[in-house]
Amino acid sequence: AQSVTQPDIHITVSEGASLELRCNYSYGATPYLFWYVQSPGQGLQLLLKYFSGDTLVQGIKGFEAEFKRSQSSFNLRKPSVHWSDAAEYFCAVGGTGRRALTFGSGTRLQVQP
Amino acid sequence: ETGVTQTPRHLVMGMTNKKSLKCEQHLGHNAMYWYKQSAKKPLELMFVYSLEERVENNSVPSRFSPECPNSSHLFLHLHTLQPEDSALYLCASSQVSGGQETQYFGPGTRLLVL
Repeated sequence: AQSVTQPDIHITVSEGASLELRCNYSYGATPYLFWYVQSPGQGLQLLLKYFSGDTLVQGIKGFEAEFKRSQSSFNLRKPSVHWSDAAEYFCAVGGTGRRALTFGSGTRLQVQP
Repeated sequence: ETGVTQTPRHLVMGMTNKKSLKCEQHLGHNAMYWYKQSAKKPLELMFVYSLEERVENNSVPSRFSPECPNSSHLFLHLHTLQPEDSALYLCASSQVSGGQETQYFGPGTRLLVL
């Protein structure tokens, strides 16, 4: 069975500081990996995705993520956080043959001025 | 409108009411999904429709009844709900294309069952 673990429930960083959100997955085949962001009262917005190829993927809003097969990880990074990045971030895994995504529990990011 | 839209955005209903949630996608996709997001729980898949046929039903109680009349519209009919059904209901769509699919989400309907 596939699963996603986001070990950090809540993270607080200062504006301008760097950010790394952790994501570990369990999947029996080649995974497709996604990061979504959710602002309060809103739906999920796609930040970036990995299907194959270059293991460092760039997304919107200055985010990037690196796929590390040996560590079963897909961590999200941003070099300098802005106050508008405060939101909840979800990692998800999918794959060929199954429509549904499996989501992690989310990491809530708080940004201090 | 663009993307995935959902109506209503907020809904309050009693346990004996019947209501419907509507989702519409303007992306030309051919697969649609209902997810449930409860407090302190990961997103849970409820239903998947691909090419207007239900292909996945994730052990959802019968008080939730989906309908997909065409590839652009998806409904979730609700009846005799329980307070524990209060949650954010998210609709998503994707294009079925050899496995590398990306799901795009609507803003959700916040449901409160009294």
